[in-house]
Amino acid sequence: ETGVTQTPRHLVMGMTNKKSLKCEQHLGHNAMYWYKQSAKKPLELMFVYNFKEQTENNSVPSRFSPECPNSSHLFLHLHTLQPEDSALYLCASSQAPGQKSYEQYFGPGTRLTVT
Amino acid sequence: QQQVKQSPQSLIVQKGGISIINCAYENTAFDYFPWYQQFPGKGPALLIAIRPDVSEKKEGRFTISFNKSAKQFSLHIMDSQPGDSATYFCAAFTSGTYKYIFGTGTRLKVLA
Repeated sequence: ETGVTQTPRHLVMGMTNKKSLKCEQHLGHNAMYWYKQSAKKPLELMFVYNFKEQTENNSVPSRFSPECPNSSHLFLHLHTLQPEDSALYLCASSQAPGQKSYEQYFGPGTRLTVT
Repeated sequence: QQQVKQSPQSLIVQKGGISIINCAYENTAFDYFPWYQQFPGKGPALLIAIRPDVSEKKEGRFTISFNKSAKQFSLHIMDSQPGDSATYFCAAFTSGTYKYIFGTGTRLKVLA
């Protein structure tokens, strides 16, 4: 295991539901990321947080709302999603910018299906 | 300019053979090039990485070859084993923006 955990591992939700994805890292990192992984597409960066501050929002629709209460926890709140939002959502963590290590570690992902 | 082009999309290799996956980039600001291995139902796991000041890095059966002038890098898996069957992603990172750009992935199957 990489030290990054995600819950739930699988989620099926209707288009009108509200749900949240949770990520926790036990690596002492200060940067956390949300990625979307769809079939036959590169990993898409969604959000970046450094020291709890959002530093990147990669033109993500407002139906995805991130929250980072501290450097160890990251949430992705979901509401009124579309079927095309079905994908594997990956959380990752790394040292913050300015540190010497660039290594990024991923969680196992949440497989989201929007019906 | 921000893309990383990865090939092939899929690869079948006999056990004991050499698996080779290639990536190409355009942005010369990239300064760290990792490879990730992903098994079904798991997140990508960092496999091996290289910085552009070296041309090759080897860890066990895995080798990265880096050609700075051609802006290409490749992963070689020597003595490929069925347990290596997975999807492999290359990535490029720039410390200036602290962003990773990922390739589209190569699905490797090693036949027993």
